[in-house]
Amino acid sequence: AQSVTQLDSHVSVSEGTPVLLRCNYSSSYSPSLFWYVQHPNKGLQLLLKYTSAATLVKGINGFEAEFKKSETSFHLTKPSAHMSDAAEYFCGLASGGSYIPTFGRGTSLIVHP
Amino acid sequence: KAGVTQTPRYLIKTRGQQVTLSCSPISGHRSVSWYQQTPGQGLQFLFEYFSETQRNKGNFPGRFSGRQFSNSRSEMNVSTLELGDSALYLCASSLYQGSSTDTQYFGPGTRLTVL
Repeated sequence: AQSVTQLDSHVSVSEGTPVLLRCNYSSSYSPSLFWYVQHPNKGLQLLLKYTSAATLVKGINGFEAEFKKSETSFHLTKPSAHMSDAAEYFCGLASGGSYIPTFGRGTSLIVHP
Repeated sequence: KAGVTQTPRYLIKTRGQQVTLSCSPISGHRSVSWYQQTPGQGLQFLFEYFSETQRNKGNFPGRFSGRQFSNSRSEMNVSTLELGDSALYLCASSLYQGSSTDTQYFGPGTRLTVL
């Protein structure tokens, strides 16, 4: 069985400050991990993806995530938040030959001016 | 390359009716998956189609069904609509590389409201 836990339902930051969105996973196999972003009334857009290559993955819009096997984590970070980053973020996991990802419940990122 | 398209974008139906949603995948993508997204349950997997065959199915009642055509376009149908079916229905397509490295690309969704 596989599962994803997004540790914060809401994260609030000021514009220009760092962003940290936390994701822990559970899997019996080597996982592929994803971060997606969803803006209001939109579908999910892929930010970045880890598939057992480099543990530090760089994505679009300045986001990156680090795969830490010992901590079973795949946290999403960005050095400086922008107002346009305000959205819902989903962490996803696929493993064991299954390409259907399991998603976390989402983290709402709020960016204050 | 055009992204995943879904039609219609918005639908309002009444209880007991049925509805059909359509999804056109990215050109060349052979796998289409459907998800239901609600505030209470988050993103829940409905089913996945490849080569006109349903290969994976989530835990939803038989009122939810789908199909895929030879051009990879997919439709999902919900019969006997209930209030709880109100949700954003997302379609995702992928190349199908047959492994967990496959990446799903999502459409904008169809917002279904059941009155």
